[in-house]
Amino acid sequence: DGGITQSPKYLFRKEGQNVTLSCEQNLNHDAMYWYRQDPGQGLRLIYYSQIVNDFQKGDIAEGYSVSREKKESFPLTVTSAQKNPTAFYLCASRRNRDLGEKLFFGSGTQLSVL
Amino acid sequence: KQEVTQIPAALSVPEGENLVLNCSFTDSAIYNLQWFRQDPGKGLTSLLLIQSSQREQTSGRLNASLDKSSGRSTLYIAASQPGDSATYLCAVSHAGGTSYGKLTFGQGTILTVHP
Repeated sequence: DGGITQSPKYLFRKEGQNVTLSCEQNLNHDAMYWYRQDPGQGLRLIYYSQIVNDFQKGDIAEGYSVSREKKESFPLTVTSAQKNPTAFYLCASRRNRDLGEKLFFGSGTQLSVL
Repeated sequence: KQEVTQIPAALSVPEGENLVLNCSFTDSAIYNLQWFRQDPGKGLTSLLLIQSSQREQTSGRLNASLDKSSGRSTLYIAASQPGDSATYLCAVSHAGGTSYGKLTFGQGTILTVHP
């Protein structure tokens, strides 16, 4: 089955630690996105990539970093500089940068601080 | 800056009712609008996508309308069922410039359909 796989489902971070969230897709999609969701709020864009080896900051990029070395993979690192990392993180992809294409989402990673 | 608002924040209805969820946006220069469904602890599933040139889209018991000039969209659910219980989010795509490819989401409407 084609789709987007996020792992792990639950992740705990210690003070001062960097953690990496995985996002893999086998849909052959060019564009990939990372969103953060806080309770009772809509999704906010962290980073997005429209092609391999290229990515742009979203609205809340501070304290996060990404890479796009392969088309299928778009990992997100939550660094120690992110002071309030507890949230539900969602990865999404789109076939190409054409806005007429639907966005597909993974099942999410819940990150909590110990 | 685009802002998207959804009303009501929560809605509880008996099974079988027809219901309307509302979404409004402040900047009418959008490319399209999408409605998503999210089950607790899960990702989002795209329900309907309306291009800015369209007035409505239909899928089964769902109908979404778009009035771009007034900055509004509605999601109509006919003959609601307990399985429709979820959070419904709307999102607008920006028309261009440096915001190309970005979506702005509303905060969602939590729908509960009880038997």
